[in-house]
Amino acid sequence: AQSVTQLDSQVPVFEEAPVELRCNYSSSVSVYLFWYVQYPNQGLQLLLKYLSGSTLVESINGFEAEFNKSQTSFHLRKPSVHISDTAEYFCAAMIYNQGGKLIFGQGTELSVKP
Amino acid sequence: SQTIHQWPATLVQPVGSPLSLECTVEGTSNPNLYWYRQAAGRGLQLLFYSVGIGQISSEVPQNLSASRPQDRQFILSSKKLLLSDSGFYLCAWSPSAYEQYFGPGTRLTVT
Repeated sequence: AQSVTQLDSQVPVFEEAPVELRCNYSSSVSVYLFWYVQYPNQGLQLLLKYLSGSTLVESINGFEAEFNKSQTSFHLRKPSVHISDTAEYFCAAMIYNQGGKLIFGQGTELSVKP
Repeated sequence: SQTIHQWPATLVQPVGSPLSLECTVEGTSNPNLYWYRQAAGRGLQLLFYSVGIGQISSEVPQNLSASRPQDRQFILSSKKLLLSDSGFYLCAWSPSAYEQYFGPGTRLTVT
């Protein structure tokens, strides 16, 4: 069965430091990949997505993720985090041609400290 | 622009009582609709999805059911709630087979 693994459940980091949230997926077929962010007691917001084309995708608030097919990874990075980036981040995969069902990782709690 | 609504925002229900959570989408037609549950400290579990009126697919055998009486309305129900039904319920919609957009969620506590 396909699965998504987020390797870190919690990532504490100081403000203005770089951060990487790791995500690996297991699938032998084509996938679309997504990162969602969830602030406390809110729904999920789409942060960025990889459907095809350039393997490096960027969000409007400075995050980027790189699709690496050989390593089946889609790690999320930001060169300098802000306090406001504190949230839970979910990596998700959608198997091509399977009705649009998302498979989520367990989430990574990013905590940015001053 | 498209918006998705869920209500109620929070709900406290006793064990054995019925449940009805509603999700509606505005500004689009014939969306794919999804119900997810997020238990405390865990990821999201897909419960149901629908590609059209009256078309419901269940992902996990459980105490819940879903219905889609109108194109942009998706309802999650239970006849008798269990303690294990507590969680954060999220509705999502998709314009195609690609990205999904989530509602604000309903926090359900079963006591």
